[in-house]
Amino acid sequence: QVQLVESGGGVVQPGRSLRLSCAASGFTFSSYGMHWVRQAPGKGLEWVAVISRDGSNEHYADSVNGRFTISRDTSKNTLYLQMTSLRAEDTAVYYCAKDDLLRSGFYFFDYWGQGTLVTVSS
Amino acid sequence: DIQMTQSPSSLSASVGDRLTITCRASQSITTYLNWYQQIPGKAPKLLIYAASSLQSGVPSRFSGGGSGTDFTLTISSLQPEDFATYYCQQTYSDPITFGQGTKLEIK
Repeated sequence: QVQLVESGGGVVQPGRSLRLSCAASGFTFSSYGMHWVRQAPGKGLEWVAVISRDGSNEHYADSVNGRFTISRDTSKNTLYLQMTSLRAEDTAVYYCAKDDLLRSGFYFFDYWGQGTLVTVSS
Repeated sequence: DIQMTQSPSSLSASVGDRLTITCRASQSITTYLNWYQQIPGKAPKLLIYAASSLQSGVPSRFSGGGSGTDFTLTISSLQPEDFATYYCQQTYSDPITFGQGTKLEIK
């Protein structure tokens, strides 16, 4: 069955960096776009970034553009989020999610990881 | 960016009730609208995609409708496990955006 397992969260000081990982299994990793979505404590869902199936295209939310980098390693079936210049407002649970793109063009997030908590605090 | 607005933000209901949650987009998104359920402490779960298609394994008491800017999620007969927060999501254009959520509580 499909599994997504995030890791790498923790407490980090403002201005520092952190890299999150998402280990994927149970599906052909190279066939699907992958996303990061975050949720600040007690708040709603915020889409963060997407990477295409082959890793050639990336898009970011304005709030993280220029500070975060999404990447993937097909040989390891792993998705990454490199976060730099972290701010207090980046504190959140970070989820990785697999998308499914229908031939009609519709797509959605059909599997999510359990999330990893990033706390930015001095 | 396309803004997604859900109403109500919260509501109380009883087991067996029928209820409808509304999601409005700031511009037309045709039917590029998905619904997710999130139980506290858990990851979101896909319920409905493309406005009205039921995800595999999701109970048939959940249904979705709408097109353009106005969408609904209906639960025909609330069960104890349905008390959660529900989010709509548009995938019509980047950036993908979510509604603020509707928290469903037991009356």
